[in-house]
Amino acid sequence: GDSVTQMEGPVTLSEEAFLTINCTYTATGYPSLFWYVQYPGEGLQLLLKATKADDKGSNKGFEATYRKETTSFHLEKGSVQVSDSAVYFCALRDSSYKLIFGSGTRLLVRP
Amino acid sequence: NAGVTQTPKFQVLKTGQSMTLQCAQDMNHEYMSWYRQDPGMGLRLIHYSVGAGITDQGEVPNGYNVSRSTTEDFPLRLLSAAPSQTSVYFCASTLDRGKQDTQYFGPGTRLTVL
Repeated sequence: GDSVTQMEGPVTLSEEAFLTINCTYTATGYPSLFWYVQYPGEGLQLLLKATKADDKGSNKGFEATYRKETTSFHLEKGSVQVSDSAVYFCALRDSSYKLIFGSGTRLLVRP
Repeated sequence: NAGVTQTPKFQVLKTGQSMTLQCAQDMNHEYMSWYRQDPGMGLRLIHYSVGAGITDQGEVPNGYNVSRSTTEDFPLRLLSAAPSQTSVYFCASTLDRGKQDTQYFGPGTRLTVL
């Protein structure tokens, strides 16, 4: 079945560092891809999405590009802030419209 | 709008006890779903509903029941709690199943089964 694999965390960075969180997927067809963020004590929020190959999703300084050839959707940010500390989930929407999540990557940003 | 609300926020049960986790939304969303979140496993779909009176199983439905008598409410029932059901439970809703990317999540219920 369809699946999503993310890099394990935690990822610990200093403020203003460059962030990459890797995400790869296995799916039949061409699923839509998403990044969700979960701040401490809260539910998940949609961060960005891409619906077809070569699309770039972006929001709040975060970007991810849908790479069909490498089945990847890596999350990047050029300069992280302490307020970006959260758990980030990569997800895909399968052919029956269900969301399949990766295991999540915790990001810790130090001042 | 209050969005998606869940009660209680925390709950401790003994093995074999039953309880209902409540979920409500005031956005007139047709599609609602329940997930459980376990360390290192992301979110897994338990049950979902595409509208009032219609429910279906997700990836991990065993031990849980749901019903959808109104558009607003989607309670999750544990009939006989087991330690394996210790988890954080999230309810989510979206306008329709084709728009699952814009799901709205509740704040979660942390359940411990002793």
